[in-house]
Amino acid sequence: QKEVEQNSGPLSVPEGAIASLNCTYSDRGSQSFFWYRQYSGKSPELIMSIYSNGDKEDGRFTAQLNKASQYVSLLIRDSQPSDSATYLCAGAGGYQKVTFGTGTKLQVIP
Amino acid sequence: ETGVTQSPTHLIKTRGQQVTLRCSSQSGHNTVSWYQQALGQGPQFIFQYYREEENGRGNFPPRFSGLQFPNYSSELNVNALELDDSALYLCASSSSGGANEQYFGPGTRLTVT
Repeated sequence: QKEVEQNSGPLSVPEGAIASLNCTYSDRGSQSFFWYRQYSGKSPELIMSIYSNGDKEDGRFTAQLNKASQYVSLLIRDSQPSDSATYLCAGAGGYQKVTFGTGTKLQVIP
Repeated sequence: ETGVTQSPTHLIKTRGQQVTLRCSSQSGHNTVSWYQQALGQGPQFIFQYYREEENGRGNFPPRFSGLQFPNYSSELNVNALELDDSALYLCASSSSGGANEQYFGPGTRLTVT
């Protein structure tokens, strides 16, 4: 079982819609969670971090964490073609190791 | 504020050779983590350096080694290169060790032939 699991996609949404990206994790010791965006051929870019149960909003992005269900999600409102990228979910426990999922490819259709 | 930088951008090596990749951390950050990202995969944690000492290591063999310097820049060394070492090598910097928010450099694309 992978420690952090994501659907590889592609997830296709029309421009202006809400994109919902999901991630599950197996390590109950994980305390910190991160969402990164990675454009093709580029390095990952941190877009959200979340540490507590509930929602965290930053502009068009909302991260959601449910530790009881071991579930993390990222909502992107008013999706734009420029949001088309691979979104990486990552979790970290008490140690230094940050474990990444394989990423979900998002396609926003104009 | 200066971001994370890495050099070189691209590198081609032959199997069995050795390679050194370099990373300069973001201003104000004292921790550097190295990752290997194969095509279509997420980054895999290699190791982390904090205050010039290795501060955690992933499932990589000893031929992957590193250093951190007093200015917090870092090197990743890989000996006896294998074809499977071909990947994007990413450096990420953060503050105060541990699993804090990490900011990635542009990466070094290594091709082993």
